[in-house]
Amino acid sequence: GENVEQHPSTLSVQEGDSAVIKCTYSDSASNYFPWYKQELGKGPQLIIDIRSNVGEKKDQRIAVTLNKTAKHFSLHITETQPEDSAVYFCAANENQGAQKLVFGQGTRLTINP
Amino acid sequence: NAGVTQTPKFRVLKTGQSMTLLCAQDMNHEYMYWYRQDPGMGLRLIHYSVGEGTTAKGEVPDGYNVSRLKKQNFLLGLESAAPSQTSVYFCASRTSGNTIYFGEGSWLTVV
Repeated sequence: GENVEQHPSTLSVQEGDSAVIKCTYSDSASNYFPWYKQELGKGPQLIIDIRSNVGEKKDQRIAVTLNKTAKHFSLHITETQPEDSAVYFCAANENQGAQKLVFGQGTRLTINP
Repeated sequence: NAGVTQTPKFRVLKTGQSMTLLCAQDMNHEYMYWYRQDPGMGLRLIHYSVGEGTTAKGEVPDGYNVSRLKKQNFLLGLESAAPSQTSVYFCASRTSGNTIYFGEGSWLTVV
């Protein structure tokens, strides 16, 4: 089955700087890679996703890149703001049957004012 | 638009007690999932359902049972709670596409 590794587990950046979170996956058949943001006491919320036929996707200050050959994908947040502080999870799908998502371990991002 | 709703939000159980977590979605989604979240371990799939009347085991199914009698509801049961089941439980549902929507979570403590 799919295995997803996420790094770093914690990340602290100054407000206005960029933050990068990286994930690797094991199953070359995976073709869907979402990123979720989880605020304290809340459920994960989808912030951006990418499919395997695309190498990069942007949505305002957030971008995701995908390297299918190396089986890794990254989340980039530019011009970070205090409200970006949260736990971020990457995931990859098991591209069969129920299309289950396998999650990384999470990254706690702290934006320092 | 409620999305995915979980009840209860908080519960404390004694070891050996039973309980049921209820998940309801109003988006007419076929697929529903129960995950548990533990520190440093991300979200792990307990059980899932691909449609009304179906259930299947996920990554960590032991100690849990599920039922999907109605399309909009997915119930997670603990028959005999153990301290190792202290966790935050998330229900999720998805469309025929890949996008998964999560509920707000249920905090369960087993003492």
